[in-house]
This record gives sequence, C-alpha cells and structure tokens, in this order.
Amino acid sequence: AQSVSQHNHHVILSEAASLELGCNYSYGGTVNLFWYVQYPGQHLQLLLKYFSGDPLVKGIKGFEAEFIKSKFSFNLRKPSVQWSDTAEYFCAVNGGGGFKTIFGAGTRLFVKA
Amino acid sequence: KAGVTQTPRYLIKTRGQQVTLSCSPISGHRSVSWYQQTPGQGLQFLFEYFSETQRNKGNFPGRFSGRQFSNSRSEMNVSTLELGDSALYLCASSLDIRNGYTFGSGTRLTVV
Repeated sequence: AQSVSQHNHHVILSEAASLELGCNYSYGGTVNLFWYVQYPGQHLQLLLKYFSGDPLVKGIKGFEAEFIKSKFSFNLRKPSVQWSDTAEYFCAVNGGGGFKTIFGAGTRLFVKA
Repeated sequence: KAGVTQTPRYLIKTRGQQVTLSCSPISGHRSVSWYQQTPGQGLQFLFEYFSETQRNKGNFPGRFSGRQFSNSRSEMNVSTLELGDSALYLCASSLDIRNGYTFGSGTRLTVV
C-alpha cells in the first residue's frame, strides 16, 4: 500500500531563513509526486508536481523540490522564506497513475517577521 | 474559468441523520475525488469517480457513498451520522492525475 511520511509537523523559521521540508513515500513503481499548500483561510492549492524528466522541479513562489528515487524522497525547498509563506504544506503521492492520491499528514510552517 | 464549487459551505447535523454534499468540478474535468480532512488524521481519501464510475474507494464504512452524474458533478452521502464524522469534506477535480488536483473550498460538517 502507498504511504507518505512528512518528517516535521511544525516548523518555525525567521524571514530569510532557508526551508527544507522532508517527504518520503513508499511505493515500488512509477510515481507522480506533488506538494500542495494551504494558506490560512484558503483552500488547498498545487505548489509543484513531478511525474517524469528532470528530478528537480520548480513551482510557484520560488519553491522547488527534488525527487530522489533511490531514497523514495521528494523534499521541498526554498532558499529564503517570507512571512507570507506561513501555511500548511502537504506532500502527496499517486502511484502508477492510479486513481488514488495519498497525502502526508502535513507540515505547519510559521515564518516570523 | 470557474473553480471547483462545493455546496453547502457549512452544515450542522444531528447524530443519526444523513447528509448530502455536492461538488461541481472545473469544466472539462471528468475525474472527481473526495477527501475527509480532520486535524488528527489529515486528508483521508474517500473515493474517486470518472465518467460516472467509481474507480477507487478508501477505507471508510459503507455509510459513506457517492455518485457522479453525466455532467461530472458529484455528490457524496453520509448516512447515520456519528460525532466522528465531523470534518472538512474536500472535493478535487483533475483533467489528468499527473497535473494534480484543483480543490474546492470544502464543506465543513459538524455533527452534534
């Protein structure tokens, strides 16, 4: 069965600090990988996605993620966070183009101004 | 273009009642998925529909059911409501799963 693990449940950073949120998944075959973000009071929105090609993918608002197949990981990074990045971040995995996408438990990021 | 529309936004129901939630996907999106979001469990997959067929179902009791209509609109129904069913129910549509989902704002269900 597919599963997704996000290592940090809560992260607090100061503005301009670098961010890395960990995500590991379990699935043996081809995967489609996603990061979603939920800003306070807003609905979930897609931050970035990977399904093939360059394992380093860039998303909106300066975020990027790297797919490392050997480590079953898809970590999210941003070189310099802003107060407006305060949100909850979810890693998600769809295995083999199947009809179910599994989400991690989420990481709450708080950025201090 | 219009986003994913879920109605109603809020619902308060009593234990034992049933409830129907509605979702209108983005025009052209034929796949509709439903999730239950709670603080303790995160997003839990309920089911996915495509062209009126349920293609996958999560680990929820049979009290949770859904359907999809020919215009891709979808409904989910929860019968014999329990306190533990209180949650945010999210609908998401997609054109191709590789492109990810577009989520609606959700229906917040409170069971008292």
